[in-house]
Amino acid sequence: EDQVTQSPEALRLQEGESSSLNCSYTVSGLRGLFWYRQDPGKGPEFLFTLYSAGEEKEKERLKATLTKKESFLHITAPKPEDSATYLCAVLVSGTYKYIFGTGTRLKVLA
Amino acid sequence: DSGVTQTPKHLITATGQRVTLRCSPRSGDLSVYWYQQSLDQGLQFLIQYYNGEERAKGNILERFSAQQFPDLHSELNLSSLELGDSALYFCASSERGGSNTEAFFGQGTRLTVV
Repeated sequence: EDQVTQSPEALRLQEGESSSLNCSYTVSGLRGLFWYRQDPGKGPEFLFTLYSAGEEKEKERLKATLTKKESFLHITAPKPEDSATYLCAVLVSGTYKYIFGTGTRLKVLA
Repeated sequence: DSGVTQTPKHLITATGQRVTLRCSPRSGDLSVYWYQQSLDQGLQFLIQYYNGEERAKGNILERFSAQQFPDLHSELNLSSLELGDSALYFCASSERGGSNTEAFFGQGTRLTVV
């Protein structure tokens, strides 16, 4: 069964304390892996798309990487405004469904 | 702003009633997805339409139905509503029917069933 698992479920960081969020996936074939940011009561906001192992994407303090089994979202020197839930999703080969993980709730303290 | 518009933003209705949620995709996007997100739960895929036709189905209840119109907007119909149907309902759109492309989400409709 195709599955996406994110860890940790929740993470508290001090401002400036870098860390990584994990998204591991078990799928029959990967067409794409996506990272989103979701603020409470809002729709997910697209961050990155990764297609193949070894690929990396960066945006401000965020950097996403992809291996054959997992993806990491690295947050460098986070600020309080980075507090949100970060969602990972995969698009499985031969399907049209995005499978989402349950997310990591990040809280950055000033 | 993602370019995906959902209406209404909030909806309060009684059990047993029927409601319709509306989604206008980003300009040029052919594919529309519907997701349900209950309190502190993940996004549950309901259904996808591509250029007016149903393309994929997820865990959508028989009481729920959807359609995509010729102008590509979509409606999600929820009937015989139960308390457990209270959730955020999101619409997303993408350009090429899910072919290696990211989906952009609307701001959602918060449905409260009382």
